[in-house]
Amino acid sequence: QQQVKQSPQSLIVQKGGISIINCAYENTAFDYFPWYQQFPGKGPALLIAIRPDVSEKKEGRFTISFNKSAKQFSLHIMDSQPGDSATYFCAASMRSGYSTLTFGKGTMLLVSP
Amino acid sequence: GAVVSQHPSRVICKSGTSVKIECRSLDFQATTMFWYRQFPKQSLMLMATSNEGSKATYEQGVEKDKFLINHASLTLSTLTVTSAHPEDSSFYICSARGTGDSDEQYFGPGTRLTVT
Repeated sequence: QQQVKQSPQSLIVQKGGISIINCAYENTAFDYFPWYQQFPGKGPALLIAIRPDVSEKKEGRFTISFNKSAKQFSLHIMDSQPGDSATYFCAASMRSGYSTLTFGKGTMLLVSP
Repeated sequence: GAVVSQHPSRVICKSGTSVKIECRSLDFQATTMFWYRQFPKQSLMLMATSNEGSKATYEQGVEKDKFLINHASLTLSTLTVTSAHPEDSSFYICSARGTGDSDEQYFGPGTRLTVT
């Protein structure tokens, strides 16, 4: 049973546009929600993360919106650039010393020039 | 800060041989390290969780005798793929979580294993 559902699978956005990737989770015990960016042949890099005590977190062009009642969270990339073209993974975990990350299936983003 | 390295970055080995992959946290101490494998165009699949000084916890379906994990110090974990077969060819990625009450995991650059 997939606990974190991510959509869309792929996304094409024009340069300067807004990229939006959505994730939904099932386990209400999750309380840490990070987003990772991965370029081909590289390991994932932490972009931004949120905890359920806030509904939004912004870092530069990246914003996470969190809806606890709907059990959904999304990544918004403002002013998307060709350098943002990568695969993005949402994840979730429970706050505990031994908690593991549950990943979504990933979204391949292509930002056209 | 929070840099994780992996060595080697690429390895090609013959079927039946063993391969060791190292994962190091360079500027922090990692109480817990994780090993993932990733097939092309797929998500990361957790293989095992290792805590320094104790036995690794393997995910369901992962053969502990085939994928040997050693977390001997707070900065080093190793994954040994024993008797490798072509189906073990994959991208192996480690991550590390620091000491203290931190949820963040920092990922290594990955190791591309090709078994011929």
